[in-house]
Amino acid sequence: SQQGEEDPQALSIQEGENATMNCSYKTSINNLQWYRQNSGRGLVHLILIRSNEREKHSGRLRVTLDTSKKSSSLLITASRAADTASYFCATTGTASKLTFGTGTRLQVTL
Amino acid sequence: DAGVIQSPRHEVTEMGQEVTLRCKPISGHNSLFWYRQTMMRGLELLIYFNNNVPIDDSGMPEDRFSAKMPNASFSTLKIQPSEPRDSAVYFCASRTGQDNSGNTIYFGEGSWLTVV
Repeated sequence: SQQGEEDPQALSIQEGENATMNCSYKTSINNLQWYRQNSGRGLVHLILIRSNEREKHSGRLRVTLDTSKKSSSLLITASRAADTASYFCATTGTASKLTFGTGTRLQVTL
Repeated sequence: DAGVIQSPRHEVTEMGQEVTLRCKPISGHNSLFWYRQTMMRGLELLIYFNNNVPIDDSGMPEDRFSAKMPNASFSTLKIQPSEPRDSAVYFCASRTGQDNSGNTIYFGEGSWLTVV
């Protein structure tokens, strides 16, 4: 079953704009990760944020985590056409397995 | 590093036939995962192994599905008999560590299965 729900399901922006995707989850977590999937390809790990962290940066990526609201956001700044992909949040709880959300399809147009 | 290697990349088979998907995890990784992705259900964890031992197979849909990991460098996911509703992309992934530390999971490129 899905642990996370991404919002929005689809997002279309122009190159140079910022893209924000949100993820909500249901149970307590140890960490939350964001993955990217290009069409027809496997998933690629982007960034991990632990439950005791509130914000993390990696290049043009900024992730926030609010454990009280059971939510996370992924911000991609100065988007590029190459950022077009689906983005998934994934959570790890007390078990070792990683449970994925439903994903946000991002389209960046020139 | 060759990454997680899956085969076949694409398979079209007739209903009732046996399907075997194969995975070679990254060398040194001791956790292996099989996921299924469909438009309707998204990414579902089917089963995962730690040190070649199945830990959680609660996501395996039914008895037609079975997975094995005879050694640290090879795993199979078998569907017998296959049905059209099994059509999906099947991903294998691997990771170091067996706890919930959040070590990165590395995915293969997937096996695209179509059952007609």
